Amino acid sequence: SSELTQDPAVSVALGQTARITCQGDSLRNFYASWYQQKPGQAPILVIYGKNNRPSGIPDRFSGSSSGNTAALTITGAQAEDEADYYCHSRDSTYYHRDVFGSGTKVTVL
Amino acid sequence: QVQLQESGPGLVKPSETLSLTCTVSGASISGHHWSWIRQPPGKGLEWISYISYSGTTNYDPSLKSRVILSVDTAKNQFYLNLTSVTPADTGVYYCARRIRVLGVVNDVHFDIWGQGTMVFVSS
Repeated sequence: SSELTQDPAVSVALGQTARITCQGDSLRNFYASWYQQKPGQAPILVIYGKNNRPSGIPDRFSGSSSGNTAALTITGAQAEDEADYYCHSRDSTYYHRDVFGSGTKVTVL
Repeated sequence: QVQLQESGPGLVKPSETLSLTCTVSGASISGHHWSWIRQPPGKGLEWISYISYSGTTNYDPSLKSRVILSVDTAKNQFYLNLTSVTPADTGVYYCARRIRVLGVVNDVHFDIWGQGTMVFVSS
């Protein structure tokens, strides 16, 4: 399948842990990358590769992968982490195509 | 500090061509892939295409027949032309730098994004 499936919404209490998942066949061969998007803003990269954070991304963000599922974990969620999160990978059925997941809205309670 | 800036008309008539420019500053356009990604109002991200500094291109199959990409290394710019637009092409258009890391498990990600430009398709 060329699709990446994400849960539409995840809620997390302030200071607790949120786990956002992304499923797709392409994830068996390609790492997922993860993007945070706040309203009216461009997406920013938060996790790439095996579990890499760009400069400036807090270490409460981490990534993992197993089989056809990738996960973004926010450990100790903060109010400013409330945003939409998108996973991305390459399409295993059309090798050169990039594909994004449908996005997960994270609400910090 | 690498920055990308999209520019182009905010309003395009149906059946006409949408033309956008992405200007790269703080880094050379050479040696990387550069992508266009769009976001319809209230919806998720949609990858459109990428182009390398040497002109190698790739497109989403659903848009391939309508997308024309080009790059000008002297100006450090790359361009998107989307022909025969319809209202379904309305949205925010982003340019982004696409990084590839080849290995046992391959890694592709977009590390730098432009701020985006809103394009309306309407008569």
